[in-house]
Amino acid sequence: AQSVTQLGSHVSVSEGALVLLRCNYSSSVPPYLFWYVQYPNQGLQLLLKYTTGATLVKGINGFEAEFKKSETSFHLTKPSAHMSDAAEYFCAVSKGYSTLTFGKGTMLLVSP
Amino acid sequence: DADVTQTPRNRITKTGKRIMLECSQTKGHDRMYWYRQDPGLGLQLIYYSFDVKDINKGEISDGYSVSRQAQAKFSLSLESAIPNQTALYFCATSDSGANEQFFGPGTRLTVL
Repeated sequence: AQSVTQLGSHVSVSEGALVLLRCNYSSSVPPYLFWYVQYPNQGLQLLLKYTTGATLVKGINGFEAEFKKSETSFHLTKPSAHMSDAAEYFCAVSKGYSTLTFGKGTMLLVSP
Repeated sequence: DADVTQTPRNRITKTGKRIMLECSQTKGHDRMYWYRQDPGLGLQLIYYSFDVKDINKGEISDGYSVSRQAQAKFSLSLESAIPNQTALYFCATSDSGANEQFFGPGTRLTVL
């Protein structure tokens, strides 16, 4: 069985500060890992994904994530937060071309 | 034009009523999914379909049923709605050769 743990239901940063959203996973096989973002009153949009190859993955809007197998982690970072980054972020894991298991989400709050 | 559409976008109904939520896609994907989102719980998979003749239960299928009328259409039914089915419902699609999912805008369902 697969599972995802997102540490912190809410994370607050100031505009211009580093964004770090934490995700740890559990999987019995090499996982495929995803970060999705949900803006208010919208569906989920893919930020980035790791399948194979390079462990540092770059996504849209300046976000990136690093797959660390030894730590079973896939943390999401952005060097400098922008007000428009305020949204809810979901980490997800899948086993090959199968269904996704989502974490419970982290709400990112950005203050001026 | 939206690639994944959901109707209705909002629905208020009463306990015991039968409700159908519809999802259509123009992406040409084989796979379709229904999720439920509750605050603080992330997304939970209700049902999924890998092709027109394939239907599978997800984590929380009790009280729900689905119909895959065509490759492009996947409907979710609540046979007898109850208040704890009040939630945000999302449809998603993916190609059979990939695991990135594309989400619709969601349906907000309230059961009184």
